[in-house]
This record gives sequence, structure tokens and C-alpha cells, in this order.
Amino acid sequence: EAGVTQFPSHSVIEKGQTVTLRCDPISGHDNLYWYRRVMGKEIKFLLHFVKESKQDESGMPNNRFLAERTGGTYSTLKVQPAELEDSGVYFCASSQVLTGNEQYFGPGTRLTVT
Amino acid sequence: GDSVTQMEGPVTLSEEAFLTINCTYTATGYPSLFWYVQYPGEGLQLLLKATKADDKGSNKGFEATYRKETTSFHLEKGSVQVSDSAVYFCALSSLRGGYNKLIFGAGTRLAVHP
Repeated sequence: EAGVTQFPSHSVIEKGQTVTLRCDPISGHDNLYWYRRVMGKEIKFLLHFVKESKQDESGMPNNRFLAERTGGTYSTLKVQPAELEDSGVYFCASSQVLTGNEQYFGPGTRLTVT
Repeated sequence: GDSVTQMEGPVTLSEEAFLTINCTYTATGYPSLFWYVQYPGEGLQLLLKATKADDKGSNKGFEATYRKETTSFHLEKGSVQVSDSAVYFCALSSLRGGYNKLIFGAGTRLAVHP
């Protein structure tokens, strides 16, 4: 069974540009989470989907970030316009609804804003 | 709010040395506790977990015991190997409204030398 996949693995963009990150969860996992680790600090929660619905987006830093999960399968996280402080590693995780306690993580997307 | 504090790294050890990485937490209710590991170039992997007080999680020679009285979940291994070199993250999860999000510590980098 395939794990959580993320694309791209690394993105380098200039300040003011737009970037879209993609996450494909494990098949059958209704819960999908986005997290971010900035500059060696703690990994911070961004938001949580159950199927296509946003359950909790309390961690989204500002309105430059837009997450979608159309159809309840893969998810995208768009940053527009990107700022220098958005640089970091963005992780996606998924879990089953009934055993939602254990989350499976993707390899992350390293975003560098110059 | 809920939080996790873990010892700062890097931790540098010789092969076969004893490892302890301290982790303490602050949480309301009864969280589940986790250790995740990120090997170089890879994503986060669940190393072990404990879901209630006095539970001991173990995997690959690593152990951690959920201590409610000291709000701790220290990671230990009796004899580390070079292949254990990685970044270790302590995390907690509180089930709220039927779902959960993970709250992480800042991570501790472990370097094991031959």
C-alpha cells in the first residue's frame, strides 16, 4: 500500500510568487493534516480536513495560505504571494477516522522563498 | 494551551552508548504521546506511542514510558547505532471533537559516531 506522497519535494521561488503544494493521502484515509516546520523549530499544525471539509484551520498563519481538498482525495496548499518567512518544510499526514490517533506522514516539501 | 518541550540538541554519542532524550508536556485531559523520527532525506515516521498513564511504548530498541505524575515521556535506548542518527520529535495528541492534531516539540538531532 502506498504511503502519503507529496509533490514537489523541493521548491525554490522568489518573494511575491505563488506556489502550490500537493499531498496525496493513503487511500481510504478521510483525515488529512498539514503541518509546517520553520527553520529548525517545532513542527506546527496548519489545518485538518475530514474528507473535503475543513474541520480546523486554526493554525493557518494568514490569508495568503489557501488549502483545498476537492472530492476528499488529494489536497493542495497554495501560498500566494509567498513571503520570506514562509520558507520551511511542509508536511502532510493522513489517518483513518476510526483510528484517528495515529497519523502517517509524507516526506515533506521543502519550500525556499528568496 | 497544550505544549511539548524536549531537550535541545544536537546530541552526539559514540556507538553503543546509552541514549536519553527528555520530553515533558503540558496538556489538559489525557493526551496520547508519541515519538516520531526523521532520518536524513526522509519523512517523519512514528517510532513509538503510549496512550495512557504508565504505558510503555517500544520499538527498534527504543522505549518511552508515559509518566503522568511528572508529565514526561523520555526516550531511551540502551545501545545506539550509527543508523540511529536522525532527528527525534516528541509529540502529543488530544482527542477533541472526535479528531486530533499533533503538537510537537522542537526536535532533537542525534548524531552517533562509530
